[in-house]
Amino acid sequence: KQEVTQIPAALSVPEGENLVLNCSFTDSAIYNLQWFRQDPGKGLTSLLLIQSSQREQTSGRLNASLDKSSGRSTLYIAASQPGDSATYLCAVFTSGTYKYIFGTGTRLKVLA
Amino acid sequence: DAGITQSPRHKVTETGTPVTLRCHQTENHRYMYWYRQDPGHGLRLIHYSYGVKDTDKGEVSDGYSVSRSKTEDFLLTLESATSSQTSVYFCAISESRGAFFGQGTRLTVV
Repeated sequence: KQEVTQIPAALSVPEGENLVLNCSFTDSAIYNLQWFRQDPGKGLTSLLLIQSSQREQTSGRLNASLDKSSGRSTLYIAASQPGDSATYLCAVFTSGTYKYIFGTGTRLKVLA
Repeated sequence: DAGITQSPRHKVTETGTPVTLRCHQTENHRYMYWYRQDPGHGLRLIHYSYGVKDTDKGEVSDGYSVSRSKTEDFLLTLESATSSQTSVYFCAISESRGAFFGQGTRLTVV
């Protein structure tokens, strides 16, 4: 059974810092891994999708890496801004199951 | 935008009543999902569908049923609502660009 863990559960940083969010999964037979952002009371917004054959994906100040063999992904946020404050979730799509399994998220607060 | 609409967006219902939530998509996606989100638990999969009339259980399916008679609609039914089913419910689709979510339905069972 696939299990997804995100560490830390919460993070508070001053504006301008570079930061790393972590996601680990127990079954390396994944089809892809996706990072989402969720603002309070809102739905999930897709940030980055990494296919199992890829090592990383970049979008603006965001960079996500994937190491399937070790069951880890990281989301790197450069030069953080107060507008980055949100909960960040990772989800893995395990091969042959049709399912996305989510971690419990990292709640990020960027202080002005 | 993957064209996903959830209805209703908010609902208050009484314990023991049946409730149906609707997820509608406009882009002919094969895979559809129902999740619930609760503090401390993240998103948990209730049921999913991989085609018309093809559905399967997720990790928290007890007390819920689903139906998919058309590609575009995936219905989630609480046969007899309980207070433990108070939650925010999200519908999602998946395709080559990943998973995309609806805006959610906030359900309160009193």
